[in-house]
Amino acid sequence: DAGVIQSPRHEVTEMGQEVTLRCKPISGHDYLFWYRQTMMRGLELLIYFNNNVPIDDSGMPEDRFSAKMPNASFSTLKIQPSEPRDSAVYFCASSKRGQGFFGEGSRLTVL
Amino acid sequence: DAKTTQPPSMDCAEGRAANLPCNHSTISGNEYVYWYRQIHSQGPQYIIHGLKNNETNEMASLIITEDRKSSTLILPHATLRDTAVYYCIVRVLVSGGYNKLIFGAGTRLAVHP
Repeated sequence: DAGVIQSPRHEVTEMGQEVTLRCKPISGHDYLFWYRQTMMRGLELLIYFNNNVPIDDSGMPEDRFSAKMPNASFSTLKIQPSEPRDSAVYFCASSKRGQGFFGEGSRLTVL
Repeated sequence: DAKTTQPPSMDCAEGRAANLPCNHSTISGNEYVYWYRQIHSQGPQYIIHGLKNNETNEMASLIITEDRKSSTLILPHATLRDTAVYYCIVRVLVSGGYNKLIFGAGTRLAVHP
């Protein structure tokens, strides 16, 4: 299995632009998580899905952030409009029965 | 939610055992203890998990005290590649049977020659 696949690995954009991060979970996993990591705040859980249904989005910082999971093999995290304080590494993870597997992350820089 | 407390940093000599402690005094009876590590800026990597009994796999051993209020992750023969941030996590059980992993600050382990 290829593991959790995230794209893009690096994204540099300007303030106000829309950013879309993508995630392909491991086949057969029924949970998908989006995390954000910064030096100041560490690893923060933003939202997670179970069987493609959003279960808890209490970690989403504000309305500029949205996440979707249209099917079992694909999820997106969108930021619109982006701001410099959104600069971070965004990780996607998938799991079945609790053992989470993480992707390599998407490093976002908003200028 | 059960919280965990870990030392911010530890050192270990290469080839020696690394013992990483974790306190989780408010853990409830059906919550598991998970350990992950993050090497540099890679994605966190699952190491091991347990409920009550000690566990061992090819990467590490997990020792959980009888009262379950603390645990120790043991890397039996640390190598330079084990230098990473190690996270002790209590798997949070929420209503509906769904669960999530909440990461704390972790322990930064430095393995030196």
